[in-house]
Amino acid sequence: AQSVTQPDIHITVSEGASLELRCNYSYGATPYLFWYVQSPGQGLQLLLKYFSGDTLVQGIKGFEAEFKRSQSSFNLRKPSVHWSDAAEYFCAVGPTRSGGYQKVTFGIGTKLQVIP
Amino acid sequence: EAGVAQSPRYKIIEKRQSVAFWCNPISGHATLYWYQQILGQGPKLLIQFQNNGVVDDSQLPKDRFSAERLKGVDSTLKIQPAKLEDSAVYLCASTTNDRFDEQYFGPGTRLTVT
Repeated sequence: AQSVTQPDIHITVSEGASLELRCNYSYGATPYLFWYVQSPGQGLQLLLKYFSGDTLVQGIKGFEAEFKRSQSSFNLRKPSVHWSDAAEYFCAVGPTRSGGYQKVTFGIGTKLQVIP
Repeated sequence: EAGVAQSPRYKIIEKRQSVAFWCNPISGHATLYWYQQILGQGPKLLIQFQNNGVVDDSQLPKDRFSAERLKGVDSTLKIQPAKLEDSAVYLCASTTNDRFDEQYFGPGTRLTVT
C-alpha cells in the first residue's frame, strides 16, 4: 500500500532564510506526488505536483520540489521564506485507481513557523 | 469560478447527537471526496463519489457515518450518533475526471463533540 512520511512535524525558520520540508513515499510504481498547503481555518491548496518528466517542479508562491526516485523523496524547497508562508504543509502520493479515478494518501503534515 | 462550498463552518454537539455537513463542489467536477482531518494528522479519505456513485467508502465507519450525492452535484455527510473521537475537521474536495487534475478543497467544517 502507498504511504507518505513527513519526518518533521514542526519546523521553525527565520524570515528570509531558506526552507526545505522533507517527504518520503512508499509506492510500487512511479508515483504521482503533490504538495498542499493549509493556512489556519482554511482548506488545502495545491502548491505543486509531479507526474512525469522534469524531476524539478516549480509551484506557486516561489516553491519548488525535486523528485528523487533513488531516495523515494519529494522534498519541498523555498530559497527565502516570508512570514505569510507560516502554515501546515502536506505531502501526498497517489496512483490512479483502476478506472482512472484519482485517490491520494496524505502525510501527517509539517507545521511551519516563521520568526522575524 | 466559485470554489468548493461547505456549511456549516463550525458545529458543537454532544455525544450521541446527530449532525450533517453539506458540500457543493466546483461546477462540472464529477468526483467528490469527504475527508476527516483529526488534529495533528493529515486528511483521511472517508468516501469518494464519481457523479452520484460511490467509488470508495472503505474507510467510512458505516455504523454511524453515511453520505449521499443524489443528483451528482452537492453532497451531505451525516454522523449518527456522534462519538467524542469524531471531533475533527471534515473537508470536502472535488476534481474533474482528468486523473492528472488537482483536488480543490473547501474550507472545512470543524466538529467538536462534547
